[in-house]
Amino acid sequence: KQEVTQIPAALSVPEGENLVLNCSFTDSAIYNLQWFRQDPGKGLTSLLLIQSSQREQTSGRLNASLDKSSGRSTLYIAASQPGDSATYLCAASILLLKKLIFGTGTRLQVFP
Amino acid sequence: NAGVTQTPKFQVLKTGQSMTLQCAQDMNHEYMSWYRQDPGMGLRLIHYSVGAGITDQGEVPNGYNVSRSTTEDFPLRLLSAAPSQTSVYFCASSSRLAGTNEQFFGPGTRLTVL
Repeated sequence: KQEVTQIPAALSVPEGENLVLNCSFTDSAIYNLQWFRQDPGKGLTSLLLIQSSQREQTSGRLNASLDKSSGRSTLYIAASQPGDSATYLCAASILLLKKLIFGTGTRLQVFP
Repeated sequence: NAGVTQTPKFQVLKTGQSMTLQCAQDMNHEYMSWYRQDPGMGLRLIHYSVGAGITDQGEVPNGYNVSRSTTEDFPLRLLSAAPSQTSVYFCASSSRLAGTNEQFFGPGTRLTVL
């Protein structure tokens, strides 16, 4: 059974720091891995999606990597800003269009 | 495009009442799904549909029914609400044709069952 774990559960950093959020999964037979952002009381916003054949994806200050052999993905946020404060969720897709298995998220706070 | 829309945003029910959570998408996505989000447990799949007329169960289907009569709509029905169904419910959709399975989420419905 696929399990997705995110460490740490919470993170507080000063503005300007580069930071890494971790996501690990137990079954390497994933179709893709998706990173989401969730603001308090809001829905999920898709940030990056990495296909199983890819190693990384970049969008602005965000870079997500995928290492299937070790069962890990990381989300790198460069030059963090207070506006980056949110909960970040990773989710692994096991079979095409079947379902996402979510981690419980990392709650990030970036203070000025 | 409005994307994925959900109504209502908030709802309070008494134990035993029934209700339908609405979900609609205007992106012509074949795949739609319902998740619930509970503190410390992440999002869990309730039901999903790969196209009109086709539905299947996810991880936590008990107490919920779905149907998919059109591509656009995927309502979730609570037959007899229980306090354990207090949660935030999210609807999501994705396009099979895009080949990526990137999922797009609605804003959620916050449900409280007393």
